[in-house]
Amino acid sequence: EPEVTQTPSHQVTQMGQEVILRCVPISNHLYFYWYRQILGQKVEFLVSFYNNEISEKSEIFDDQFSVERPDGSNFTLKIRSTKLEDSAMYFCASTVAGGSEQYFGPGTRLTVT
Amino acid sequence: GENVEQHPSTLSVQEGDSAVIKCTYSDSASNYFPWYKQELGKGPQLIIDIRSNVGEKKDQRIAVTLNKTAKHFSLHITETQPEDSAVYFCAASMSRDDKIIFGKGTRLHILP
Repeated sequence: EPEVTQTPSHQVTQMGQEVILRCVPISNHLYFYWYRQILGQKVEFLVSFYNNEISEKSEIFDDQFSVERPDGSNFTLKIRSTKLEDSAMYFCASTVAGGSEQYFGPGTRLTVT
Repeated sequence: GENVEQHPSTLSVQEGDSAVIKCTYSDSASNYFPWYKQELGKGPQLIIDIRSNVGEKKDQRIAVTLNKTAKHFSLHITETQPEDSAVYFCAASMSRDDKIIFGKGTRLHILP
């Protein structure tokens, strides 16, 4: 069964450093999403992406965040200058078309020290 | 914006008994309510969903109910089995491809 994959599974970085989290959505999917879950809190929507542009973003998704689909397979989330409060599990999701289920990846645990 | 509350945060039931998880939402414009199961080391996986034009939906041992007037929805798992042990999230959205607003999750333990 096709699945969304994410790398790395765990990333440790120092405050102020840039990180790039990588996702490979399911191959025929067209809509892409990033969510995050701070330990002990809710899974929160960050951003949705369709047709090579951001469809919607939350208040969390400020100028420090960016997303990109650099080629036909990868979907990345970049955090330019990480803060301690960026420590969380980041989930990528994708869906084939409007009205279809979102499939989630296993997540990347980001630890900012 | 939408806010989803979920109770309880932890639930322990004897194997074979039923488990019920309850959620409320705040935005009456929400009309899609998915439930996710998350196992250790994996992302959330959709197990069942319901739309606002339906009051109840069942899939084998899993059922969901929706009371749109009260803005309540619930997950019922009958004849629980050890493999049902996981974290369950309720959620609300405008549609399947719109942003999903999650509840905080319920950790379900099935006791032998």
